[in-house]
Amino acid sequence: RKEVEQDPGPFNVPEGATVAFNCTYSNSASQSFFWYRQDCRKEPKLLMSVYSSGNEDGRFTAQLNRASQYISLLIRDSKLSDSATYLCVVGRDSNYQLIWGAGTKLIIKP
Amino acid sequence: NAGVTQTPKFRILKIGQSMTLQCTQDMNHNYMYWYRQDPGMGLKLIYYSVGAGITDKGEVPNGYNVSRSTTEDFPLRLELAAPSQTSVYFCASSRRDSTDTQYFGPGTRLTVL
Repeated sequence: RKEVEQDPGPFNVPEGATVAFNCTYSNSASQSFFWYRQDCRKEPKLLMSVYSSGNEDGRFTAQLNRASQYISLLIRDSKLSDSATYLCVVGRDSNYQLIWGAGTKLIIKP
Repeated sequence: NAGVTQTPKFRILKIGQSMTLQCTQDMNHNYMYWYRQDPGMGLKLIYYSVGAGITDKGEVPNGYNVSRSTTEDFPLRLELAAPSQTSVYFCASSRRDSTDTQYFGPGTRLTVL
């Protein structure tokens, strides 16, 4: 079983729609959680950290469910510019290493 | 600020050749990392450093070496290149440990033939 698992997609979504991704992780001792965004042939960039109580940043909402060991990302009112691959990232308990999911590809269509 | 810079952007190596991938950051970050990204896979940590003079292995260190003589620079050395090292290599840095945001360079696309 992979340490961090994501549906690779692609998710094809019309502009303006709401889309949600989930990500599951296997290490119950993990303490840090992130969503990064990666555009085609570019470097990853932090989208948002994920906190235990859930957090929101504009159109983006992240949730953490420790009991079921999954993280979710909700994008509301999707824009063409949201088209990218979204990487779920979980910290190992060592704090020096992150475990990266393979990513979920999102395509927003006009 | 330039952030994290990497050179070269692209490189083709023959089997058995060696090369150094350069990485420099101007954010005065203590932590630096080297990752590789293969198609359809998550990033894999090769080596990391928590400060000048201190380096340690990540998940996939075999075939690579690093050094950290200054806070700014963290070069990755490939010795005796093999086709399995064909990948995209990203350097990253962070102010603190992995609970902090990692800032990435633009990557080096390496092909070993």
